[in-house]
Amino acid sequence: DVKVTQSSRYLVKRTGEKVFLECVQDMDHENMFWYRQDPGLGLRLIYFSYDVKMKEKGDIPEGYSVSREKKERFSLILESASTNQTSMYLCASSMTRPQHFGDGTRLSIL
Amino acid sequence: TQLLEQSPQFLSIQEGENLTVYCNSSSVFSSLQWYRQEPGEGPVLLVTVVTGGEVKKLKRLTFQFGDARKDSSLHITAAQPGDTGLYLCAGNQAGTALIFGKGTTLSVSS
Repeated sequence: DVKVTQSSRYLVKRTGEKVFLECVQDMDHENMFWYRQDPGLGLRLIYFSYDVKMKEKGDIPEGYSVSREKKERFSLILESASTNQTSMYLCASSMTRPQHFGDGTRLSIL
Repeated sequence: TQLLEQSPQFLSIQEGENLTVYCNSSSVFSSLQWYRQEPGEGPVLLVTVVTGGEVKKLKRLTFQFGDARKDSSLHITAAQPGDTGLYLCAGNQAGTALIFGKGTTLSVSS
């Protein structure tokens, strides 16, 4: 079974902090994705990556950056956290079609 | 623009009832996936449909892909409390990341 592991289930940070969310997958998948999920808005794609050191902007990249130095790891960075970035963050990986998700990180920015 | 419309948004039923959830678009998809997400967890893939008119069954769940590959439905027979969760459809178009609907929240009470 594919395992996608997100480093934290719950995280509380303060506005202005630099926040790192980590995601690791164990199936040698080439594609990795970061989403945020908000009530009434569904899943929205922030960034994705099709290969090491490669990244593509999704629908809502503003205020975020990503890093993929190794194939198995995809990091999401909030450069200067703001309260409107309080959300559930989901990481996913895939080889072709189906995406495999981690359990999510519920991030609160105070 | 929301390319995938799911309906209904919320559904609350009694154990033993049947239900259908719809996922509609004006766009053609090369494949479509259904996920279920339980509170505090990430979405889990239920099924992928690829061929127009395809029907797949997963125990009491029946998935259908429209002939024109623009829509899909999920039918649950004799719903049980364990079916409670958020049901998400996601479409795949060539060269793009997955497009998610906003989801249908199903509550089955005993």
